[in-house]
Amino acid sequence: GAGVSQSPSNKVTEKGKDVELRCDPISGHTALYWYRQSLGQGLEFLIYFQGNSAPDKSGLPSDRFSAERTGGSVSTLTIQRTQQEDSAVYLCASSSGLAVYNEQFFGPGTRLTVL
Amino acid sequence: AQKVTQAQTEISVVEKEDVTLDCVYETRDTTYYLFWYKQPPSGELVFLIRRNSFDEQNEISGRYSWNFQKSTSSFNFTITASQVVDSAVYFCALVAYRGATNKLIFGTGTLLAVQP
Repeated sequence: GAGVSQSPSNKVTEKGKDVELRCDPISGHTALYWYRQSLGQGLEFLIYFQGNSAPDKSGLPSDRFSAERTGGSVSTLTIQRTQQEDSAVYLCASSSGLAVYNEQFFGPGTRLTVL
Repeated sequence: AQKVTQAQTEISVVEKEDVTLDCVYETRDTTYYLFWYKQPPSGELVFLIRRNSFDEQNEISGRYSWNFQKSTSSFNFTITASQVVDSAVYFCALVAYRGATNKLIFGTGTLLAVQP
């Protein structure tokens, strides 16, 4: 079956440009997460969507970061006015249901390089 | 505060050796879940195991085994008779049962290199 997919797999951009990263979760999964993996910070939580509830944005590092999830499925993470410190691998994960113990399935990530 | 510590940054072993990856966690919650994920060179995180805070039974799955000890807040992972395919970064993670967000709190990972 199809897993979590992310696009693009690699993105190189210039400082100051906006970027959009896309995540397609596993069909039927109501929960969607964005994480960031960078050398200095490890794996850190960014944002969480669950069904039609308001997203938990507590992990977004600045107001340049935003995310939306349309129709309870595809999600887009947008970074405005990118900075070099935004360079990282952005990982998307999805899980079924509300339970805290539900396994999160991860996508392959988008490697963002800001020059 | 919740925290996961993986003190071993890198481990190198020769094939067929046993290796243990350490994980120590901190949480004030009484109900929580611990996870191990594997990140091979391809980059995709692969779920290995989940354990809840009320179940301290050790678990074995093939060459993999996990030792959960609440007394020392540790959830260690042992690979028996390691193989080259085990080479990856291994992450320990924690989720506390405190409501809305089931976000994973990750350790910094341990890079395991298994030499042939």
